[in-house]
Amino acid sequence: LAKTTQPISMDSYEGQEVNITCSHNNIATNDYITWYQQFPSQGPRFIIQGYKTKVTNEVASLFIPADRKSSTLSLPRVSLSDTAVYYCLVGPMNQAGTALIFGKGTTLSVSS
Amino acid sequence: KAGVTQTPRYLIKTRGQQVTLSCSPISGHRSVSWYQQTPGQGLQFLFEYFSETQRNKGNFPGRFSGRQFSNSRSEMNVSTLELGDSALYLCASSSGLVQFFGPGTRLTVL
Repeated sequence: LAKTTQPISMDSYEGQEVNITCSHNNIATNDYITWYQQFPSQGPRFIIQGYKTKVTNEVASLFIPADRKSSTLSLPRVSLSDTAVYYCLVGPMNQAGTALIFGKGTTLSVSS
Repeated sequence: KAGVTQTPRYLIKTRGQQVTLSCSPISGHRSVSWYQQTPGQGLQFLFEYFSETQRNKGNFPGRFSGRQFSNSRSEMNVSTLELGDSALYLCASSSGLVQFFGPGTRLTVL
């Protein structure tokens, strides 16, 4: 699975837009990009997944440039409850028995 | 649809004992994966089952084992518990591209 690099931590204020960038220079042709959110002592929660260009759902947007070597998770108008660890994962998610490889993630702290 | 459920949510054991954790996947999901999360090592893959067969296994000792039943429910077992086995054990089910996680079982080994 492709190695990912993302900032260890980020700080924001309520109401701001937060963009978390993930670098994945060795992404393979059949790899997808998936983001998870995790609160302390809870299981990771799926946020969004994409392959190219832009994907948007009710929670976030995912921007993927043409070369796919990076991606940006965009959280619009964050609130205190968005304080969590965000993980970027890259891999062939449709491959049988895929083991998700989690890095250290990005700890987002939202203040009032 | 109901999410992934795990039982028990909390467990306290002593060294040398064994423990069995249970996971019920989302209805219709046939793939179940298990992960261990500790502050030091982060989230690490244990194993994955599909249709009662183990398809993938992480780098854990043989004390860690699992199985899957015909209804896709899964159990994992840890024998001869060590202090270092204290962790949050997470189960995830999948029907394809995305894995959905349960709330986890917090195991404390004393």
